[in-house]
Amino acid sequence: EADIYQTPRYLVIGTGKKITLECSQTMGHDKMYWYQQDPGMELHLIHYSYGVNSTEKGDLSSESTVSRIRTEHFPLTLESARPSHTSQYLCASDRGTDTQYFGPGTRLTVL
Amino acid sequence: SQQGEEDPQALSIQEGENATMNCSYKTSINNLQWYRQNSGRGLVHLILIRSNEREKHSGRLRVTLDTSKKSSSLLITASRAADTASYFCATDAWGAQKLVFGQGTRLTINP
Repeated sequence: EADIYQTPRYLVIGTGKKITLECSQTMGHDKMYWYQQDPGMELHLIHYSYGVNSTEKGDLSSESTVSRIRTEHFPLTLESARPSHTSQYLCASDRGTDTQYFGPGTRLTVL
Repeated sequence: SQQGEEDPQALSIQEGENATMNCSYKTSINNLQWYRQNSGRGLVHLILIRSNEREKHSGRLRVTLDTSKKSSSLLITASRAADTASYFCATDAWGAQKLVFGQGTRLTINP
């Protein structure tokens, strides 16, 4: 079982609300990632970080933003949620370019 | 464009049979990894094969890598109902410093 946690697991909110999806890991990994995945589909990298104060945009353009103030914490924020943001968001971390450890995911529904 | 493409997209077999999934990629890689995802959950790392390896085993899993064809296969022997999940290949391309996931194979094991 990986020591990487995501909260909330499920979130249903109305359009226009600001939300923050939390991701924390206790493995001391420098690299952390956010993926977006629609049901039954591939993963798309939307943000990643190489360490504290480092954030990069991924391969899929996203209106979300991230921050990395502490090694163990990598929250994702949507300033104004829209129905098009409905998806599953997966957080992951690793030490380098080997095994990535994934959290359980947050399933977001925007009404 | 996606680095990894998987085939078949869906596979349904009887319990006890072997399941084979294939992954093709486009650029030179450091390693190729296989992950499993149960419905609505995060991904779990199964096995990693490096570019200088041709075959690797882990329990009932056998992975092959053909760098000349830019392809890999995952074989699950003596399948069980608990093997029902989606399986993703992920490539760590030279210089990319991040994984790129394929679209996955949905495997269903019928009792």
